[in-house]
Amino acid sequence: DQQVKQNSPSLSVQEGRISILNCDYTNSMFDYFLWYKKYPAEGPTFLISISSIKDKNEDGRFTVFLNKSAKHLSLHIVPSQPGDSAVYFCAASDGNWGKLQFGAGTQVVVTP
Amino acid sequence: SAVISQKPSRDICQRGTSLTIQCQVDSQVTMMFWYRQQPGQSLTLIATANQGSEATYESGFVIDKFPISRPNLTFSTLTVSNMSPEDSSIYLCSARLAGGVEQYFGPGTRLTVT
Repeated sequence: DQQVKQNSPSLSVQEGRISILNCDYTNSMFDYFLWYKKYPAEGPTFLISISSIKDKNEDGRFTVFLNKSAKHLSLHIVPSQPGDSAVYFCAASDGNWGKLQFGAGTQVVVTP
Repeated sequence: SAVISQKPSRDICQRGTSLTIQCQVDSQVTMMFWYRQQPGQSLTLIATANQGSEATYESGFVIDKFPISRPNLTFSTLTVSNMSPEDSSIYLCSARLAGGVEQYFGPGTRLTVT
């Protein structure tokens, strides 16, 4: 049973514009949410996280928004750059020994 | 953060053989994990590698197929035993630092079974 869902397998955005990636979850026990970026032939790289007690966290060009009532989070990348082209994974933890559950990923392509 | 290395980076193996993947972390970490990423799919947790004791496996994964060792705080191995083509995947090691939630990942081992 997939408890973390990324329903958009791909996203194309122009350089300089905003990229918005979405993630939905079903388990109300999740208390921490994370975003990872993955380039081909590399391991995932941690980008940004948010605790369930917050609704927004910002780090440079990356902002994550959490809507607990809707069980929805999103990652905003502003402005998008060509180097942002990668697969982005949403992940969630329920505090259970640090285990993470990952979404299916969204392939982002930033075009010039 | 933590820097994680894995060996080998890739391998092509014959059906019925076994492969051991090594994972080394540059700092002492509290928890280490092993994931599998099958072609076109997300990351699936195989097990949590516990120092000095048996690993904790997720549903669908068993010790006989994926034996794991973690002899100290910075090193772990995953063996993929009696391989079949369905085991062709990327295998990833990750680690979590004390007090943190985020996991840091190694570059992965791309395994192809023929």
